[in-house]
This record gives sequence, C-alpha cells and structure tokens, in this order.
Amino acid sequence: GENVEQHPSTLSVQEGDSAVIKCTYSDSASNYFPWYKQELGKGPQLIIDIRSNVGEKKDQRIAVTLNKTAKHFSLHITETQPEDSAVYFCAEGNNFNKFYFGSGTKLNVKP
Amino acid sequence: DSGVTQTPKHLITATGQRVTLRCSPRSGDLSVYWYQQSLDQGLQFLIQYYNGEERAKGNILERFSAQQFPDLHSELNLSSLELGDSALYFCASSVSAATSYNEQFFGPGTRLTVL
Repeated sequence: GENVEQHPSTLSVQEGDSAVIKCTYSDSASNYFPWYKQELGKGPQLIIDIRSNVGEKKDQRIAVTLNKTAKHFSLHITETQPEDSAVYFCAEGNNFNKFYFGSGTKLNVKP
Repeated sequence: DSGVTQTPKHLITATGQRVTLRCSPRSGDLSVYWYQQSLDQGLQFLIQYYNGEERAKGNILERFSAQQFPDLHSELNLSSLELGDSALYFCASSVSAATSYNEQFFGPGTRLTVL
C-alpha cells in the first residue's frame, strides 16, 4: 500500500522458531493497525489488531507491538507451526476511513 | 467461513467488456468494502459503502463503480476492461462505518481474468 511498507517479502523459518514481520507507516492520523493472514485460495482473515493507545497486544503465540514515535509496528509469531505458513498483511486505518494494506509477507514454516 | 459471500467465483472475459461482481455482507453488517488484489500491487482498497451510501474512496479507477442496495448487498461494476484489470477482487464487511474501530470480514473473492 502507498502508506505502509512491509518487510520482509518472504520469510522462511524452521518449525518452532520465531517469526517477525515489520511494517512502517507515514500517516500521523493512523490509529488502527490490524494484521491479516491469507491462506491459499482464501480471503484475508484478521489474526490480531492493535489501536494507537496501546503499545503491545498478545494472543497466545501471536503478539503485535506498536511504536507510535517511530511509526512502526511488528507481528511476532512464536513457536511457529507448519499451519502458520501463509501470506501475512499488515494494514493501517484512521478515522477518515482510509485503509491501506502492506505488500504482504509470505511465511514458510519448514517442518 | 467468514459469512461474506461473493459471486461469481471466477470470471473470464475479453478486453473492452463490462462485468458485475456481487457481494453479500455478513448478517448485521452495514459496511461493505471492495479491494483489488493483483500480483504486483498487493491489496488495494477501492471503495467503502455504509448503509447504502458511499463512505470512503481509495484507488478506484473511473471505469469502476459500485453501489450498495437497500438489502445491503453490493455490486462492483468494471467497464472497458483492460488486461491489467485481471486480479482477485475481494469484498469485506463490518458492523460499523469506522475502519479504525471494527474488524473487516473478507469474502472468498472473485478471480477476474481479462483476455
């Protein structure tokens, strides 16, 4: 997306290792940062989100951190499993209803 | 299953033609969003409707238009099709209008191929 940069574009990890995907944004008005997982042949599915008044959020093996000063946020997946293999997208939204996705990260978890 | 339905699943057409993609949101959702996903540009937000009215516009071409009907289903019309319009088109829905306050649920998508 034009407002969001996402890295890396591909990521290969061994099962059980951690995976980290990073996104940076430029719009100071952005206040909502969701992460979506897209499996082959399916639409994106929300896995976790964070709002600008929170610095970190965790849901089992998945966590998201937000640094508003630096304008970046990251997805952390611990103890990766083969079923975590998919394309992950970050996104950012604001009160003006503009919503932009990152370019995606293809995560491959090797058994 | 997200509860969002899209038809058709696949569409093959020729350049210069016009097509209509259809989306039914989850029961109770008033907002509908359209996205285009192509290999080289990722997911691009096109347009959002809330309860029948246009709410936000993204990178939507003038050749494209959309509307949301009283029963809340939405249609995306693509005209004067070009080869570059070949892509996956996703519809998403959410309860409210504000993108910053509620989860969007995505449909399975319509794969459009322009020959």
